[in-house]
Amino acid sequence: GAVVSQHPSRVICKSGTSVKIECRSLDFQATTMFWYRQFPKQSLMLMATSNEGSKATYEQGVEKDKFLINHASLTLSTLTVTSAHPEDSSFYICSARGGTANSPLHFGNGTRLTVT
Amino acid sequence: AQKVTQAQTEISVVEKEDVTLDCVYETRDTTYYLFWYKQPPSGELVFLIRRNSFDEQNEISGRYSWNFQKSTSSFNFTITASQVVDSAVYFCALSGQTSGSRLTFGEGTQLTVNP
Repeated sequence: GAVVSQHPSRVICKSGTSVKIECRSLDFQATTMFWYRQFPKQSLMLMATSNEGSKATYEQGVEKDKFLINHASLTLSTLTVTSAHPEDSSFYICSARGGTANSPLHFGNGTRLTVT
Repeated sequence: AQKVTQAQTEISVVEKEDVTLDCVYETRDTTYYLFWYKQPPSGELVFLIRRNSFDEQNEISGRYSWNFQKSTSSFNFTITASQVVDSAVYFCALSGQTSGSRLTFGEGTQLTVNP
């Protein structure tokens, strides 16, 4: 079946540094990718939607200058958390969809970010 | 606006018991998809089922079964003869035709199956 690879699975960084998270679709072309954030014991909240070759659409309340999303190819989207703060510590998970709105969604395994 | 409500925050059962996880949704879309995902302690989301709004047939897959009732906007999930490995957080989710594939998740139900 379709696989979405997310890397790294776990990252610890210092306050003020930037962290890049990659989301790759391994055996299909992902025209659309979604980035979610999950705080401990909470639900997943959509942060942004990225379409290949265009700017990401951010959900209300998500700072686009802090969470930079790039979807430069049909198999790769990246989320960069810039100038990370401890409150950015969270579980970030991407999902990818193929060519049509009816295509199923596939999730990556998530990235646990800890900012010290 | 879309909304998914999972009223049960935590459920604890003993192995071999049957357990039903409730999910109630709200949407103005006439075409929509409903999902269930399992999130074990390791964190990844495991896809369990997708159901479109025009298909109200109940589905059974092994020990899992789903009861979709449009009349009550519910999409409940039952695990029969639960096992310890079923312990996880289960999320119900919704995507409507006007939201593309953007999923709205419920708050999740933590299921603990005790031996």
